Amino acid sequence: DTGVSQDPRHKITKRGQNVTFRCDPISEHNRLYWYRQTLGQGPEFLTYFQNEAQLEKSRLLSDRFSAERPKGSFSTLEIQRTEQGDSAMYLCASSLAWTGGEQYFGPGTRLTVT
Amino acid sequence: RKEVEQDPGPFNVPEGATVAFNCTYSNSASQSFFWYRQDCRKEPKLLMSVYSSGNEDGRFTAQLNRASQYISLLIRDSKLSDSATYLCVVNVFNDMRFGAGTRLTVKP
Repeated sequence: DTGVSQDPRHKITKRGQNVTFRCDPISEHNRLYWYRQTLGQGPEFLTYFQNEAQLEKSRLLSDRFSAERPKGSFSTLEIQRTEQGDSAMYLCASSLAWTGGEQYFGPGTRLTVT
Repeated sequence: RKEVEQDPGPFNVPEGATVAFNCTYSNSASQSFFWYRQDCRKEPKLLMSVYSSGNEDGRFTAQLNRASQYISLLIRDSKLSDSATYLCVVNVFNDMRFGAGTRLTVKP
């Protein structure tokens, strides 16, 4: 399967714990995006990378959230001191820089904070 | 005001019907435009890009009006398999803004 993969698919954690999600993009894609989606809403942009450089972060991304893409391939999204409001689907997408937005999404990681 | 606004629906139509979805966006600097489809509990998938001249892909036609900051999607001869949520997406300097989506249910 050469699509975007995410791990884990589901995560249940207690409030206050740290969680980390992984995304493996399509291998030749140089851009990688993270989104958050809650029920009844469209995906909400969090951050994106071009190769290993993090080029933009949403102002909605609190300092409890951090993302890395150390070698320009896979990426991790970490949430520290989780809160119940962090419960959502976290989606990763990848694209080629020149396509202007034709993104391919992974299946997502569903986070539940209890 | 939301950056990308869509009628949430739901639209319930019979098979074979023609249905149109509308979307408006607020940022005049928006550079590119897309429609994505999302099935229940699945990830969004690109349906089609939207070009200024309008474009068609089989039963689907997308149109863009930059002056009015308006995007549309027309689905002709609806199939049961078209049932999904349709997301309007606007690219503003590589920051992709998604609408909340319009839910479509096609019934036999």
